[in-house]
Amino acid sequence: NAGVTQTPKFQVLKTGQSMTLQCAQDMNHNSMYWYRQDPGMGLRLIYYSASEGTTDKGEVPNGYNVSRLNKREFSLRLESAAPSQTSVYFCASSEIDTPDEQYFGPGTRLTVT
Amino acid sequence: RKEVEQDPGPFNVPEGATVAFNCTYSNSASQSFFWYRQDCRKEPKLLMSVYSSGNEDGRFTAQLNRASQYISLLIRDSKLSDSATYLCVVPPNSGYSTLTFGKGTMLLVSP
Repeated sequence: NAGVTQTPKFQVLKTGQSMTLQCAQDMNHNSMYWYRQDPGMGLRLIYYSASEGTTDKGEVPNGYNVSRLNKREFSLRLESAAPSQTSVYFCASSEIDTPDEQYFGPGTRLTVT
Repeated sequence: RKEVEQDPGPFNVPEGATVAFNCTYSNSASQSFFWYRQDCRKEPKLLMSVYSSGNEDGRFTAQLNRASQYISLLIRDSKLSDSATYLCVVPPNSGYSTLTFGKGTMLLVSP
């Protein structure tokens, strides 16, 4: 039982490049989330998917797109990376009726130069 | 008042000490609150929930003060392994059907 897994763990991009961050959970959770964490800013929600087939914007969605591929997988895409997107990205999941109990993946450290 | 505010610390305490930190929140309608723990360069993990009656789990006690709109986390007999950042979490004021995380309070326990 791996919980929430994320790939890659580290990535360096040049400005303007694109990439997709992958997230998968094996807890049969309905809800999944993408956050970014920056020094002094705390965790901020980028997008979430309350259930398979739905996605909604969070606090900081600009510059990102998401795909809920199936119940297990929720990917985050940066179409044209910018230095402001240098951050640590966390994926999380929860049961739909207990959104406060979230389980996080180990994170992806992204640097955009 | 911001949705969630925490003293960033760090709180430096010796092993065995008792330490407490508070978190203030702005949404007076909030019913439930949570403390998450985040070790350095790791993911956040749920530590405990806080309801109106408070919550105790071993050395950890979380309490809610609705009148003053803050929650507290008390750690007794601190261990080196308690060194981490503690994130206060409350339901959001608006819009998103998910959580608002505080920026965290760093605790450093020394030998």
